[in-house]
Amino acid sequence: SQQGEEDPQALSIQEGENATMNCSYKTSINNLQWYRQNSGRGLVHLILIRSNEREKHSGRLRVTLDTSKKSSSLLITASRAADTASYFCAGETSGSRLTFGEGTQLTVNP
Amino acid sequence: GAVVSQHPSWVICKSGTSVKIECRSLDFQATTMFWYRQFPKQSLMLMATSNEGSKATYEQGVEKDKFLINHASLTLSTLTVTSAHPEDSSFYICSARDPTFRQENEKLFFGSGTQLSVL
Repeated sequence: SQQGEEDPQALSIQEGENATMNCSYKTSINNLQWYRQNSGRGLVHLILIRSNEREKHSGRLRVTLDTSKKSSSLLITASRAADTASYFCAGETSGSRLTFGEGTQLTVNP
Repeated sequence: GAVVSQHPSWVICKSGTSVKIECRSLDFQATTMFWYRQFPKQSLMLMATSNEGSKATYEQGVEKDKFLINHASLTLSTLTVTSAHPEDSSFYICSARDPTFRQENEKLFFGSGTQLSVL
């Protein structure tokens, strides 16, 4: 069963604005990953944050992890129309098993 | 970087037929592969873990006799949907783990997915 919940389920913003997506999970994880999926396509790995890390940056992406609250957030700064996609968090447990959140559909309007 | 190839990208079949989906690791040996299913506008659900040379491990609620997994080599895992029905219509995605990849943030690689439509 899915362990993750994401909010918002859908987010619509204007180009140039920042987009923040949140994810909560229920069980202990080794790390938490964020993925992007364009409609009907495969997944693209964005960023991974380990359970002993609190914040990580990669380009326009910033991810935080709060293990005490079992939550994570993904911030996309200076959004672009090309960022329009679904974004999923996934907690990795032993054996590289990933449990995905419900996803956030991000729409960036030009 | 490592690449996982999934084939076919889409398939349409009649109810009652079987469909085979292939997942290949192109430049690394994958001892473990994972199969996910995704219904429209929903998240990915892990179906099973495919282990080279041994039986797959299925998640709770996934029928192992309906979703046959074969991981006969270190570069190929197949998922066969047997006696497919319209409710099996879904997007199926595989992923593979490269145990030699040093950078932790890219040790899991995903295929491009297979859209199955059962008429």
